Amino acid sequence: AQTVTQSQPEMSVQEAETVTLSCTYDTSESNYYLFWYKQPPSRQMILVIRQEAYKQQNATENRFSVNFQKAAKSFSLKISDSQLGDTAMYFCAFMSPRRNSGNTPLVFGKGTRLSVIA
Amino acid sequence: EPEVTQTPSHQVTQMGQEVILRCVPISNHLYFYWYRQILGQKVEFLVSFYNNEISEKSEIFDDQFSVERPDGSNFTLKIRSTKLEDSAMYFCASSGASGTINTGELFFGEGSRLTVL
Repeated sequence: AQTVTQSQPEMSVQEAETVTLSCTYDTSESNYYLFWYKQPPSRQMILVIRQEAYKQQNATENRFSVNFQKAAKSFSLKISDSQLGDTAMYFCAFMSPRRNSGNTPLVFGKGTRLSVIA
Repeated sequence: EPEVTQTPSHQVTQMGQEVILRCVPISNHLYFYWYRQILGQKVEFLVSFYNNEISEKSEIFDDQFSVERPDGSNFTLKIRSTKLEDSAMYFCASSGASGTINTGELFFGEGSRLTVL
């Protein structure tokens, strides 16, 4: 069974600074997707960034980037130039694609609560 | 931008009562999901639904739970006889727009908070 571990329950960062959220996972699959979802207070989870395991290049979305280390099964999220609106719960998640019937269910980590301080 | 909507946002019920949580997924999506999050714990998968039937369910999704897509737009989660431990935030999600590449991305609703007394 797949597991996702986020070892930092809470983090804080000064506005405009950079912060890195950690995530490790365990799987025997060779092809899979990894995600970071953001959940602002009282709002729905939205996708921040996505990485396909077969791609060696780290995904980047504006101020968000990942450090994907497949051998180490590590998938950290770096937020550059942190903004107050980045304050949220961040979930790391894992999924395996299936050929004909959708994907395996998302497996989530426990989340990291990030506070951006003015 | 299309989004997943859930009702009610918060429901309080007595133990043993039936509860129905409603979701309207994004209209051209093919896969539907329910997840739940007990306060302070991780988000857990309950069930996935495709082509008008359950495609996968977790150990949590026992006989007390059922899902339906009664009219082609709504996707409901029913808990027949609620227990105290069913108190949680329940998230609906959808994915897989017809004719698009499977990216694995799920689109979540804002959640329905269920409190069982």
